Amino acid sequence: GAGVSQSPSNKVTEKGKDVELRCDPISGHTALYWYRQRLGQGLEFLIYFQGNSAPDKSGLPSDRFSAERTGESVSTLTIQRTQQEDSAVYLCASSLGPGRYTEAFFGQGTRLTVV
Amino acid sequence: DAKTTQPPSMDCAEGRAANLPCNHSTISGNEYVYWYRQIHSQGPQYIIHGLKNNETNEMASLIITEDRKSSTLILPHATLRDTAVYYCIVRETSGGGADGLTFGKGTHLIIQP
Repeated sequence: GAGVSQSPSNKVTEKGKDVELRCDPISGHTALYWYRQRLGQGLEFLIYFQGNSAPDKSGLPSDRFSAERTGESVSTLTIQRTQQEDSAVYLCASSLGPGRYTEAFFGQGTRLTVV
Repeated sequence: DAKTTQPPSMDCAEGRAANLPCNHSTISGNEYVYWYRQIHSQGPQYIIHGLKNNETNEMASLIITEDRKSSTLILPHATLRDTAVYYCIVRETSGGGADGLTFGKGTHLIIQP
C-alpha cells in the first residue's frame, strides 16, 4: 500500500470489553510504533517494534495493554477490559528502521471511544 | 525529561516566513534533530531532519546553530494549510536498540490570513 493503514478508523466500545486495533505498515518498513493521543494532548509513546528484536514496551500504561507484530508486517494493539480513560486516538507509524532511514510515516489513527 | 523546549504557540501572517525555534541544549553528538507537524485530526507528518549542517527540502529549511544547542525550522512562505502543531525531536540514530520517537508538546503555529 501507499501508506500506513489503520483499522478500524473509529471504534466505540463498552467499558470492560476488549478491543483490537490493527496497523498495516508500509511494505519493507522494519520499525513500527504505536502512540496514544488523548483529546487536546500530545502523542504518548506506547510500544516500538524493530525487526526481530524484543519490542520496547516501556510506554505501555498498564498490563491491560499488549501488542504483537507478525514478522515485519501487521501489528495488533489489544486493550483488555477497556476503561473510559482509554478513550483516545491510537496512532501507528512505521519507518525503514533505525539509522539513516528513520523518517516515520503515520497512519490516520483509530479513534477509540469507551462508553 | 523532555529533551527539547519549544514555545507553546506562534502566529504568522500568510505569505510570510514562519520561523519556529527549538532549544535542545543537552543534545549529544549522535543525536539528530527531527521536525514533524500534526494538522488537526491527522497523523503527524515528517518535515525534515539534520545533524549539524543546515538542511532544505521542498517543505522547509532547518537551521542548526554551530553548537547544536538550538535550531530553527523555517517555512519560507506560510499558507493557511501550514496551521498545525510542530514538534521538534532529538533522536539517536546510531542504528542500535529500541528508540521510540518521543514527542513533546510542540508549537501550535497559527497562520493568519
